[in-house]
Amino acid sequence: EVKLVESGGDLVKPGRSLRLSCTASGFTFGDYAMNWFRQAPGKGLEWVGFIKSKTHGGTTEYAASVKGRFTISRDDSKSIAYLQMNSLKAEDTAVYFCTRVPVLGAPFDSWGPGTLLTVSS
Amino acid sequence: DIQMTQSPSSLSASVGDRVTITCRASQSFGRYLNWYQQKPGKAPKLLIYAASTLQSGVPSRFSGSGSGTYFSLTISSLQPEDSATYYCQHTFNTPYTFGQGTKLEI
Repeated sequence: EVKLVESGGDLVKPGRSLRLSCTASGFTFGDYAMNWFRQAPGKGLEWVGFIKSKTHGGTTEYAASVKGRFTISRDDSKSIAYLQMNSLKAEDTAVYFCTRVPVLGAPFDSWGPGTLLTVSS
Repeated sequence: DIQMTQSPSSLSASVGDRVTITCRASQSFGRYLNWYQQKPGKAPKLLIYAASTLQSGVPSRFSGSGSGTYFSLTISSLQPEDSATYYCQHTFNTPYTFGQGTKLEI
């Protein structure tokens, strides 16, 4: 069974940093690109960014709203994807979800339950 | 960026009704269109991908159609458990944008 579990969400002050983790099981993690999405309270879904599989270069892309502040990485030996978030703003407050895709353009068939980040002083 | 516009934003219907939700894209992208169902406090669930392919395990009362810039999701006979918010999303290129959602009340 494919399973994705996000962790690391917390209450942090503006300007601080936080790292989220996405722990995967039930599939060959290294074969998949990993994406992060977020959903602000009561709002819609927003794509945050992805990291390709190492087979496809392991490169990353980000939404304009987080580019330069967020970094996605992966540890294939542990089946974990990370979302490092720096210079956090109140508007980053959201539930963060991770998902997997075998190739770019494919749909997101498996999602974690999400982890809540609250940015507030 | 491709803008996705869903309508209606909310909808009230009864058990057994047939409902259709539409999604318009600001530019054409073939059939890279997915539909998700989300219930409160839960992650989105993939219903339809590639505009019209039913995800495994999803009831056949859900169907999708369209290509280019106009897409629709139809639920043929509403069930109580279909109460949720529905989102369209394209995966043609980044950023992978979503429609604003349609809240369906049964």
